[in-house]
Amino acid sequence: KQEVTQIPAALSVPEGENLVLNCSFTDSAIYNLQWFRQDPGKGLTSLLLIQSSQREQTSGRLNASLDKSSGRSTLYIAASQPGDSATYLCAVANTGNQFYFGTGTSLTVIP
Amino acid sequence: ETGVTQSPTHLIKTRGQQVTLRCSSQSGHNTVSWYQQALGQGPQFIFQYYREEENGRGNFPPRFSGLQFPNYSSELNVNALELDDSALYLCASSWEVRQETQYFGPGTRLLVL
Repeated sequence: KQEVTQIPAALSVPEGENLVLNCSFTDSAIYNLQWFRQDPGKGLTSLLLIQSSQREQTSGRLNASLDKSSGRSTLYIAASQPGDSATYLCAVANTGNQFYFGTGTSLTVIP
Repeated sequence: ETGVTQSPTHLIKTRGQQVTLRCSSQSGHNTVSWYQQALGQGPQFIFQYYREEENGRGNFPPRFSGLQFPNYSSELNVNALELDDSALYLCASSWEVRQETQYFGPGTRLLVL
């Protein structure tokens, strides 16, 4: 069974700082990996999707990398802003048909 | 193009009761997945429906059941509610099963007393 772990569980940084969120997974036979953002009490917003054949994806200040062989992904956020405060979830899709989620990293950006 | 919608937004039930949650998928999407998210946890996959057929199930008991309709909207039914069923229930739609970007609804918050 796929296990997804996210480190750290919580992170607090001053505005403007660059930061890295980590995600690891136990089964490297993935179809894709997706990073989501979740605001308190809300649904999930997709940030970046990386196919298993890709190494990274970029969107604005966000960059996600994937190292399938080592079972790791990172989400890099440049020049953090208070509006980036949220929980960030990593999810992997196996070659089957479901996502396995980590427990998330709660990010607070201090103005 | 409309997004994924869920109803109701909040619900309070007592142990032993039954509940039905509803999801309207994004326009053009034929696959709906349901997730349970307990407080402080990541979402856990319940099941997926593709073209009105169940297409995969997570580690949830049979009292969790679902339906998908010809317009691809979906229902999640939970019988014999337990306290541990209290959670945020999320549905996500996508085009086809191969798990391209999933679009999530805002969720239904269920509290079981």
